[in-house]
Amino acid sequence: AQSVAQPEDQVNVAEGNPLTVKCTYSVSGNPYLFWYVQYPNRGLQFLLKYITGDNLVKGSYGFEAEFNKSQTSFHLKKPSALVSDSALYFCAVRDGGSRRTYKYIFGTGTRLKVLA
Amino acid sequence: EAQVTQNPRYLITVTGKKLTVTCSQNMNHEYMSWYRQDPGLGLRQIYYSMNVEVTDKGDVPEGYKVSRKEKRNFPLILESPSPNQTSLYFCASSPGTPRVEQYFGPGTRLTVT
Repeated sequence: AQSVAQPEDQVNVAEGNPLTVKCTYSVSGNPYLFWYVQYPNRGLQFLLKYITGDNLVKGSYGFEAEFNKSQTSFHLKKPSALVSDSALYFCAVRDGGSRRTYKYIFGTGTRLKVLA
Repeated sequence: EAQVTQNPRYLITVTGKKLTVTCSQNMNHEYMSWYRQDPGLGLRQIYYSMNVEVTDKGDVPEGYKVSRKEKRNFPLILESPSPNQTSLYFCASSPGTPRVEQYFGPGTRLTVT
């Protein structure tokens, strides 16, 4: 069965420091992996995705993520955090190798708090 | 402007009173989906639709119905709402290929008393 785990409910980081938001997944086929961000009282916005190719993908607002097949992880990273990055972050997966391809599984979300 | 719209944005209702939350997209997307967001549980997929007249259950379909009679619209129907359906609901759409990200609506906050 497909699943996504975001092991940290909240991550606190000082402004200017690097940040990492963790995500691990489980699918039976090839994973299509996504990160979304939710600001207060807003819908989700797409940040970046891994479909195939380079393991390091770059996305919006200076975020990047590294796909690690052996560890089944897709951690979100940013070299230097901004206070404005404070939001709720969701990892999501679709199974690209089965008839379940059209189902999305989201993680429980990680709240990122960047301290000035 | 390309967007997904939902109505209403806020709704307070009573147990058993049928309601419909509308969702519309103007991007000619084949794929549409409904999610509910609950604290500690993240987003859970209720129903999705690959195209007109093609729908399938997500992970939490009980108590909900959907229909897809037109490509742009994907209403969510609660025939007999219960308090455990109090939640924040999001509609999303994307092109037909699963390699493309979803576009989300602004959300509908539903309270069932």
